[in-house]
Amino acid sequence: GQNIDQPTEMTATEGAIVQINCTYQTSGFNGLFWYQQHAGEAPTFLSYNVLDGLEEKGRFSSFLSRSKGYSYLLLKELQMKDSASYLCAVMDSNYQLIWGAGTKLIIKP
Amino acid sequence: IAGITQAPTSQILAAGRRMTLRCTQDMRHNAMYWYRQDLGLGLRLIHYSNTAGTTGKGEVPDGYSVSRANTDDFPLTLASAVPSQTSVYFCASSDSGTSGDEQFFGPGTRLTVL
Repeated sequence: GQNIDQPTEMTATEGAIVQINCTYQTSGFNGLFWYQQHAGEAPTFLSYNVLDGLEEKGRFSSFLSRSKGYSYLLLKELQMKDSASYLCAVMDSNYQLIWGAGTKLIIKP
Repeated sequence: IAGITQAPTSQILAAGRRMTLRCTQDMRHNAMYWYRQDLGLGLRLIHYSNTAGTTGKGEVPDGYSVSRANTDDFPLTLASAVPSQTSVYFCASSDSGTSGDEQFFGPGTRLTVL
């Protein structure tokens, strides 16, 4: 079956760095997405990885290892507004997104 | 402002009633999707459409139907609502539905079936 695993909840301090991990087993692979979702709002796109390696975009970076079925989202210089859920999703062989349950990130001052 | 709109924002519905959730996008995207989001679970695909005139079943299609008469609109219908369909429903769209295309999401419809 298809499976996306990520931690349910993480806590970090304002100004610090946090890494959110995602492991996956899917039928086929056409890329991995990270989305941010604030409580009561719609998911918004953060990053896309299809090749191994690190993609950096401002304070956010995303890493992919296809051989290990593993990705992480790295958030630097944490701000209170980064408190949200972070969703990992893999595009399978049918170009459909398979979603993890999301990681709720709590930022403390 | 370009984007996706959904209606209604929220709805309380009696079991057995028919309900249509509306979704409209003005980005001229070819692909559109309907997801449901339940606490503790990832987004689950209900139905999708890769282009106007075509639709396909996702992971959890039972009890739902869709149509795609034109590029902009993608309504989701619950023929006879049941309490297990209580959820938050998101409509999304992407340019082509293929690799690398990010999906843009509407604001969601919170549906409660009693």
